[in-house]
Amino acid sequence: DAKTTQPPSMDCAEGRAANLPCNHSTISGNEYVYWYRQIHSQGPQYIIHGLKNNETNEMASLIITEDRKSSTLILPHATLRDTAVYYCIVRVARGSQGGSEKLVFGKGTKLTVNP
Amino acid sequence: DADVTQTPRNRITKTGKRIMLECSQTKGHDRMYWYRQDPGLGLRLIYYSFDVKDINKGEISDGYSVSRQAQAKFSLSLESAIPNQTALYFCATSDPGVPSTDTQYFGPGTRLTVL
Repeated sequence: DAKTTQPPSMDCAEGRAANLPCNHSTISGNEYVYWYRQIHSQGPQYIIHGLKNNETNEMASLIITEDRKSSTLILPHATLRDTAVYYCIVRVARGSQGGSEKLVFGKGTKLTVNP
Repeated sequence: DADVTQTPRNRITKTGKRIMLECSQTKGHDRMYWYRQDPGLGLRLIYYSFDVKDINKGEISDGYSVSRQAQAKFSLSLESAIPNQTALYFCATSDPGVPSTDTQYFGPGTRLTVL
């Protein structure tokens, strides 16, 4: 799995958009970008994933650059409950050549949402 | 009710004791996983199971064993616990239906302390 780089920490005001960047400059063509988050010592929670196109769901939006070397997770209206460590993971789709069962969690970005 | 449950949530034991951590899921997923999390090291895969008859070692399986009693149950055992197995343990499940959308759903975790 390709390596990702994320800032160690970020702050955001409650109600504002939180934009979390991730660099994955060595991403391969068959690797997806996944985002998970972990609220203090709880189990990691899936947020969103994408391959090339921008994606949106009820939790967040994922913007992937055209060259796919970086992406941004956007929480449109951050709340205090969004305070967590956010992990950006690049991963070959399971079942594809080179696919793996494991998720490789790096250090992530500690997002603190302030009142 | 939670889709993925783990018992116990906290356990303190002594070196040399046998410990079993249990995981149950109601998501109907065939694939189940055990991870451990240590501070600063992210999550590491211990074992995973594709179905009741298929068990696979992860990256750190030494000192651990597993049992897949049913589709919904996956247990992790420490045959003779040692202090460096003190960690936060997570169970996860995934649906093999569509590989490109493969996401993992985590339980709340078991905090194990080996004295």
